[in-house]
Amino acid sequence: QKEVEQNSGPLSVPEGAIASLNCTYSDRGSQSFFWYRQYSGKSPELIMFIYSNGDKEDGRFTAQLNKASQYVSLLIRDSQPSDSATYLCAVTQGGSEKLVFGKGTKLTVNP
Amino acid sequence: DAGITQSPRHKVTETGTPVTLRCHQTENHRYMYWYRQDPGHGLRLIHYSYGVKDTDKGEVSDGYSVSRSKTEDFLLTLESATSSQTSVYFCAIRDNYNSPLHFGNGTRLTVT
Repeated sequence: QKEVEQNSGPLSVPEGAIASLNCTYSDRGSQSFFWYRQYSGKSPELIMFIYSNGDKEDGRFTAQLNKASQYVSLLIRDSQPSDSATYLCAVTQGGSEKLVFGKGTKLTVNP
Repeated sequence: DAGITQSPRHKVTETGTPVTLRCHQTENHRYMYWYRQDPGHGLRLIHYSYGVKDTDKGEVSDGYSVSRSKTEDFLLTLESATSSQTSVYFCAIRDNYNSPLHFGNGTRLTVT
């Protein structure tokens, strides 16, 4: 089983700060990478996806991928209390239709 | 949600009874997945389907079976429920093997 590791957290940041979430993966053949947000008692919802090395920005969110180092990160700028949730990193296994999830990092943004 | 309906939303059952959870999609997506989510374990793949009657196992498939007789429906069956199968079950879909998953609202199953 290929592994996806995330900082277990919890991570606490003040409102307006940058939150940085990290994820490493073991399968060098992985091609697609996703970040999901999950509020307590709700289903995961997609925030970002990235396929190529480098940065991808969408509003306050930036995903960063480094395939050589096998890590993917998510930056949340100008963090808001509404960003408080668990963030899940997911990676498609190389040569497979399986998507493996990390255990998630719980983020709290303090007003 | 991206046209995904899970039923039932909540179920309580007794150990040893069979249970079937249903996932229905209106997106005509090829791929459908069943995950379970437990504290400390995150989301773990049970089974998935890559087409009608085409299924494969995930990392925690023991005690579970699946069927997909139509594109829109993916059934998860617990042949004889055990307390260790108490969990929240999520169905997810995607249209190709590199695209994002979209999740249903989940089914909370309690086995007493």
